[in-house]
Amino acid sequence: KAGVTQTPRYLIKTRGQQVTLSCSPISGHRSVSWYQQTPGQGLQFLFEYFSETQRNKGNFPGRFSGRQFSNSRSEMNVSTLELGDSALYLCASSPGQANEQFFGPGTRLTVL
Amino acid sequence: QKEVEQDPGPLSVPEGAIVSLNCTYSNSAFQYFMWYRQYSRKGPELLMYTYSSGNKEDGRFTAQVDKSSKYISLFIRDSQPSDSATYLCAMSAWRGGADGLTFGKGTHLIIQP
Repeated sequence: KAGVTQTPRYLIKTRGQQVTLSCSPISGHRSVSWYQQTPGQGLQFLFEYFSETQRNKGNFPGRFSGRQFSNSRSEMNVSTLELGDSALYLCASSPGQANEQFFGPGTRLTVL
Repeated sequence: QKEVEQDPGPLSVPEGAIVSLNCTYSNSAFQYFMWYRQYSRKGPELLMYTYSSGNKEDGRFTAQVDKSSKYISLFIRDSQPSDSATYLCAMSAWRGGADGLTFGKGTHLIIQP
């Protein structure tokens, strides 16, 4: 069974730009969660989608948004990029009925 | 006080040793506990998943949860150089993962050949 895939793997943007990251969950998984990982803060929860609905959101500004499509694929968007948004963005999928979350390899975003 | 505390290490042990990794937490609502392993420049890999208090064993790995002390542990027996990685504890209050996982910052483990 294929794992979680994320595209692109690496991205370089400049301040003020916006970016869209994509995540394809494990086949059959309906829940997709997004996390930001930085050396200073560690892994922090951004939001979770289940059947195209956002069920919960972490403590991030409104510049961070996401959506989920009917095939469970998800996208995350960050607008008006700041230097502090440089991080590894991780997507995790889950069947939705349990808490085991399986992570993708992440997208490394660098904001210059 | 952070919700989940984890010693960042590095923790360096010789090959074959038993490794003990630990996390403490403050939120008594946490019921689901996980351990992930993360190699450099990779995503976290789920190692163990437990619910409530008790022990769970899987191969060389044993996870322990003591909810009364708000303390969880991961033991690695017969440690191998390939076990060298960062180990992250994670926990959640809700079944289904909708509340997101709360992570420790990770312990960097080095197994010396």
